[in-house]
Amino acid sequence: EAQVTQNPRYLITVTGKKLTVTCSQNMNHEYMSWYRQDPGLGLRQIYYSMNVEVTDKGDVPEGYKVSRKEKRNFPLILESPSPNQTSLYFCASSNRDSTDTQYFGPGTRLTVL
Amino acid sequence: QKEVEQNSGPLSVPEGAIASLNCTYSDRGSQSFFWYRQYSGKSPELIMSIYSNGDKEDGRFTAQLNKASQYVSLLIRDSQPSDSATYLCAVSSGGSYIPTFGRGTSLIVHP
Repeated sequence: EAQVTQNPRYLITVTGKKLTVTCSQNMNHEYMSWYRQDPGLGLRQIYYSMNVEVTDKGDVPEGYKVSRKEKRNFPLILESPSPNQTSLYFCASSNRDSTDTQYFGPGTRLTVL
Repeated sequence: QKEVEQNSGPLSVPEGAIASLNCTYSDRGSQSFFWYRQYSGKSPELIMSIYSNGDKEDGRFTAQLNKASQYVSLLIRDSQPSDSATYLCAVSSGGSYIPTFGRGTSLIVHP
């Protein structure tokens, strides 16, 4: 089954404790991205990757890091989480770029205390 | 700053009626337009994509695009309670890697 998976689905952590949210897709897509979704603000892109070892900032990259060492995986790293990073996070992938249909993962609900 | 505007709603329609969802965008260079449906607490899923002016129909759903007016809409015929969700409009330019999403319109279909 074609899918995008994310782990963990729920995470409660404390300020400053480094964490990683994993994302994996099995569709051989070149393009992957991370979004956060906050009430009243909609979906905002954090980072995207056009292919292995090629990443760039989206609209709200501050406080986040990413890497793309393999085509299927695109982890999101929060080196020192803060309460304003409490949000619902989605990973997405598409065949080439954002003009293609994006397939979203199930989401990770993060709470930073 | 590229913007995509949607009425937040909620839009309430009776079962069996036509629901009309609207979206306007600011970037005249936009080439790809998407409607995603998102149930509460779930991830967005594609309903329709449209790339050229006019109408595109898929079952009960019709997307309409008017690039001159910078306007895209989604019509849902014979609305069902299961259509109750938030509908996100997304717009992207050719060769772009950063799509712009609207904040979504909440649709409620009541029996």
